[in-house]
Amino acid sequence: EPEVTQTPSHQVTQMGQEVILRCVPISNHLYFYWYRQILGQKVEFLVSFYNNEISEKSEIFDDQFSVERPDGSNFTLKIRSTKLEDSAMYFCASRPGGGGDQPQHFGDGTRLSIL
Amino acid sequence: GQNIDQPTEMTATEGAIVQINCTYQTSGFNGLFWYQQHAGEAPTFLSYNVLDGLEEKGRFSSFLSRSKGYSYLLLKELQMKDSASYLCAVRAENYGGSQGNLIFGKGTKLSVKP
Repeated sequence: EPEVTQTPSHQVTQMGQEVILRCVPISNHLYFYWYRQILGQKVEFLVSFYNNEISEKSEIFDDQFSVERPDGSNFTLKIRSTKLEDSAMYFCASRPGGGGDQPQHFGDGTRLSIL
Repeated sequence: GQNIDQPTEMTATEGAIVQINCTYQTSGFNGLFWYQQHAGEAPTFLSYNVLDGLEEKGRFSSFLSRSKGYSYLLLKELQMKDSASYLCAVRAENYGGSQGNLIFGKGTKLSVKP
């Protein structure tokens, strides 16, 4: 069964450094998402992307965050200048077009640790 | 505001039935999803409800009452591998082409005992 793949599985970065998290959504999916989950807390929506532009973003997704779909397969999340509080598991998700009953499929996540 | 409530933890016995409740207050409603999440892993899709009533899928069933802002996930014939967190998520209003992002509850950690 096709799946969403994320790399790296674990990223350790110094505070203030830039980090890029990579995702390959399922190939025929049209909608792409980033979520984050701070340890022990709930999954929080960051941003959704459709038709090569951001559809929605949450309050968390400030100017330090950006997303890009540089080619037909990759979907990236960039954090420009990381802060300690950015430490979390970051999940990429995708869903196909069509009916509203289509669920979002999640990747295995990237654990981001900011030192 | 957006609010989704579910119990923090539940314990049940192998072979038994357990019901996990979820109540929500959101600005708009475009479907409710249940996901299973094992520790350190990705959420995996279990069920979807958008109309009132019960949806059954093998050992798992999910119920929705839109007027009450209430859903439950029913797990039958519990197995040890069902020990996980169960996440209730509401898809909010349909913004443009995204069909609305998912708003998650904090999850219910289910422990299945022998």
